[in-house]
Amino acid sequence: KAGVTQTPRYLIKTRGQQVTLSCSPISGHRSVSWYQQTPGQGLQFLFEYFSETQRNKGNFPGRFSGRQFSNSRSEMNVSTLELGDSALYLCASSLYGGSPTEAFFGQGTRLTVV
Amino acid sequence: DAKTTQPPSMDCAEGRAANLPCNHSTISGNEYVYWYRQIHSQGPQYIIHGLKNNETNEMASLIITEDRKSSTLILPHATLRDTAVYYCIVRPDNYGQNFVFGPGTRLSVLP
Repeated sequence: KAGVTQTPRYLIKTRGQQVTLSCSPISGHRSVSWYQQTPGQGLQFLFEYFSETQRNKGNFPGRFSGRQFSNSRSEMNVSTLELGDSALYLCASSLYGGSPTEAFFGQGTRLTVV
Repeated sequence: DAKTTQPPSMDCAEGRAANLPCNHSTISGNEYVYWYRQIHSQGPQYIIHGLKNNETNEMASLIITEDRKSSTLILPHATLRDTAVYYCIVRPDNYGQNFVFGPGTRLSVLP
């Protein structure tokens, strides 16, 4: 079956702009999580959605937001982009989101803010 | 979630077993040990997880000490494609996929 699909794969934006990233989970999966990966901070959890509700949130400013649709697809939005937002943004899906189940990650969207 | 400690890097000869250690001395009774790996510029890949018994799947074996304060991921016959950063994560048995990734171990499999 198809894996987790993230679009676009690469993106270049200017400081101050906003950006929306998309994630399509594996069919049947209801939990979608988002992570930011930078060389300095590593992989950091942003938030998780389950059945269209945000269930967990990491320690990121309010400029980072997300949502999940009824078909489990998810989007994350970053407003007022800063240079430090340049990162690989990863989406992960799992069946129910309950432990212990594995999460399947997409290939990520590489965002560059100039 | 309990903190984990892993060596920053390790080398392994191709065809030999790779043994990656992880210390999680503050693990509590309801916390599972998960292992993921990330090959350069790709998303992390699930490898294996366990609670207290040793586990084995087609990719690897997970050995957890009796006191659960440490574990070892074993790749029985390492190949060049196993070169990656390996992350050991402990997290409680509750709902949510908010994994806390540390710096991991960079495993280099050498020909």
